[in-house]
Amino acid sequence: GNSVTQMEGPVTLSEEAFLTINCTYTATGYPSLFWYVQYPGEGLQLLLKATKADDKGSNKGFEATYRKETTSFHLEKGSVQVSDSAVYFCALTLGSGGSYIPTFGRGTSLIVHP
Amino acid sequence: EPEVTQTPSHQVTQMGQEVILRCVPISNHLYFYWYRQILGQKVEFLVSFYNNEISEKSEIFDDQFSVERPDGSNFTLKIRSTKLEDSAMYFCASSEYIAGSYNEQFFGPGTRLTVL
Repeated sequence: GNSVTQMEGPVTLSEEAFLTINCTYTATGYPSLFWYVQYPGEGLQLLLKATKADDKGSNKGFEATYRKETTSFHLEKGSVQVSDSAVYFCALTLGSGGSYIPTFGRGTSLIVHP
Repeated sequence: EPEVTQTPSHQVTQMGQEVILRCVPISNHLYFYWYRQILGQKVEFLVSFYNNEISEKSEIFDDQFSVERPDGSNFTLKIRSTKLEDSAMYFCASSEYIAGSYNEQFFGPGTRLTVL
C-alpha cells in the first residue's frame, strides 16, 4: 500500500536555525507529493507541492525536492522564525486512475524559540 | 478569505452516545471530506462526499458513521454509538472539483472528540 513516514518530533530550534524535516514515501504508482502546515488552532494548509521527479516545491522560504531515487521529499528552510512554529504534514496522492485522497504522515511538530 | 469552519471545537461524550460533528465548507466547493487523527497517529481519511452521495470511503468508515448535507451549507458527520477508540481530532475539508486532477483541499480547524 501507500504510506508516508516522517521524522518524529518535536523538532526544537532557535530562531534563524536551519530546518530539515525528513519525509520518505512508498507508493504503488507515481505520486504527487505535498507538505501541509497546521498552525495552532487552525486547519491544515497546503504549504507546497511537487508533481514529478526532481521538481522543487517552494513557498514562504520553505522548499522540498521530489527525489524519486531515494523516495524522499524532505522539507527545508534556511532560517526559521518563531512564527514557523506549527505541525508539518507530508502527504502523497496518486492520480491517473488512482485516488486523489491524500495519504498523510503523522506530522512533525516544530517549535522555534526566540 | 473564505475558510472551512467546524463546530464544536471540543466535544465530550459518554461511550454509547451519538454525536454529530458539524462543518461549513467553502461556499462554492463541491467536494467534502472527513478525516480523523488519533493522538500521535496519522491523519486518516474517512469519507468523501460529492453530489449528495458518498464518493469514496475508507475501511474505518463503518456502519456507525454517516454523513449528511442537511441544507445548502452544512456537512455533518454522525457517529451513532461512540466508542472509546473514536476519541480523536476530526477534520472536515472541502475542495472544488476539476475532473482528472488533484483539487486542493481546504481544511477546517478540527473538532476534538473525547469519549469517556
